[in-house]
Amino acid sequence: QKEVEQDPGPLSVPEGAIVSLNCTYSNSAFQYFMWYRQYSRKGPELLMYTYSSGNKEDGRFTAQVDKSSKYISLFIRDSQPSDSATYLCAMAGNQFYFGTGTSLTVIP
Amino acid sequence: GAVVSQHPSRVICKSGTSVKIECRSLDFQATTMFWYRQFPKQSLMLMATSNEGSKATYEQGVEKDKFLINHASLTLSTLTVTSAHPEDSSFYICSATQVGSGSTDTQYFGPGTRLTVL
Repeated sequence: QKEVEQDPGPLSVPEGAIVSLNCTYSNSAFQYFMWYRQYSRKGPELLMYTYSSGNKEDGRFTAQVDKSSKYISLFIRDSQPSDSATYLCAMAGNQFYFGTGTSLTVIP
Repeated sequence: GAVVSQHPSRVICKSGTSVKIECRSLDFQATTMFWYRQFPKQSLMLMATSNEGSKATYEQGVEKDKFLINHASLTLSTLTVTSAHPEDSSFYICSATQVGSGSTDTQYFGPGTRLTVL
């Protein structure tokens, strides 16, 4: 079983839609949970960073961590074409693990 | 799926010495490799982007003469921390993008190398 599972997509939504991106994990020792956005031919950039369980909101982005279910989510409200990118989840305890990324396209 | 390995997984060295970390794509050719570092309880930070056969592009604030990156082939990139100091102690992670993959944004990450400088 992989440490982190992420559906690669691709995911295509119309502009203005709410996007839900998810990852599951198997290691209960993970404490730090992150979401990265990566545009084509660019390195990943950090979007959200959460410690332990709970929700965190930043503008149109909301990150949720459910440690009991070993499940994390990233919600994007009022999605824009500029949100089209690959989104990677990542989590860490003693080691750092990434998901393989979900490709998102927001259609104008 | 595509696998990226790093070697060593853990290294302890004395201050002033140089340390080389290898990043290999095991079953695919990597157009581009990325190097990251993570300090304790902090998130991942991109250090540099490396394209095979050309000079690496370093992020702002990263000393290129201290962190030497060589991407000599489509399956191997190396990061050398020169004249290491205790403040260089960190977790270093590489990732690689696959040549000719269906999604050019697919990125595969190595398991990381923990460097401790005494």
